[in-house]
Amino acid sequence: GNSVTQMEGPVTLSEEAFLTINCTYTATGYPSLFWYVQYPGEGLQLLLKATKADDKGSNKGFEATYRKETTSFHLEKGSVQVSDSAVYFCALMRAGGTSYGKLTFGQGTILTVHP
Amino acid sequence: DTAVSQTPKYLVTQMGNDKSIKCEQNLGHDTMYWYKQDSKKFLKIMFSYNNKELIINETVPNRFSPKSPDKAHLNLHINSLELGDSAVYFCASSQMTGGQPQHFGDGTRLSIL
Repeated sequence: GNSVTQMEGPVTLSEEAFLTINCTYTATGYPSLFWYVQYPGEGLQLLLKATKADDKGSNKGFEATYRKETTSFHLEKGSVQVSDSAVYFCALMRAGGTSYGKLTFGQGTILTVHP
Repeated sequence: DTAVSQTPKYLVTQMGNDKSIKCEQNLGHDTMYWYKQDSKKFLKIMFSYNNKELIINETVPNRFSPKSPDKAHLNLHINSLELGDSAVYFCASSQMTGGQPQHFGDGTRLSIL
């Protein structure tokens, strides 16, 4: 079946540090890949997405590249801010068939950024 | 003009009670979902409706019954609440075709005493 594995958290960084959150997946076919962010007390917001191999999703200084050869979609940001403190979820959506748009999530990575 | 709105935001109740959570979306999407987030933040899909038709029904106890009166609404009714039902329940919506991302509500935090 489909699965998503994220790096263990929590991750604690100082402001302006470089961020990487690893995400690898297992899926048949060519899934779409997503990063969602959940700020405290809120729902999930789409951060970025990629729908085919070698696509790069980017938003708010965050980037992730769909790597089919390594089945990975690692999230990166060059300089984090305190306001980036949140829980980050990697997710996949299997294409077509009976997937019905179902999202399979990783376990989430808690990021805390200190001033 | 909230896109996906859930009510109530908090729900505190006793074991054995029956409760409902309501969800509405104004995005014109044809598909709606319920997810459960446990205390470790893990998210798992429970149900999905496309144009009022149930299309995803994961392994969920029969005590949980979704209802979709129209494609803009998806409600979740839970009978005989148990301690293990304590979680945050998220509603989401999307347009099914083309791998479109889902839009989430702010969640309903259910606490069972």
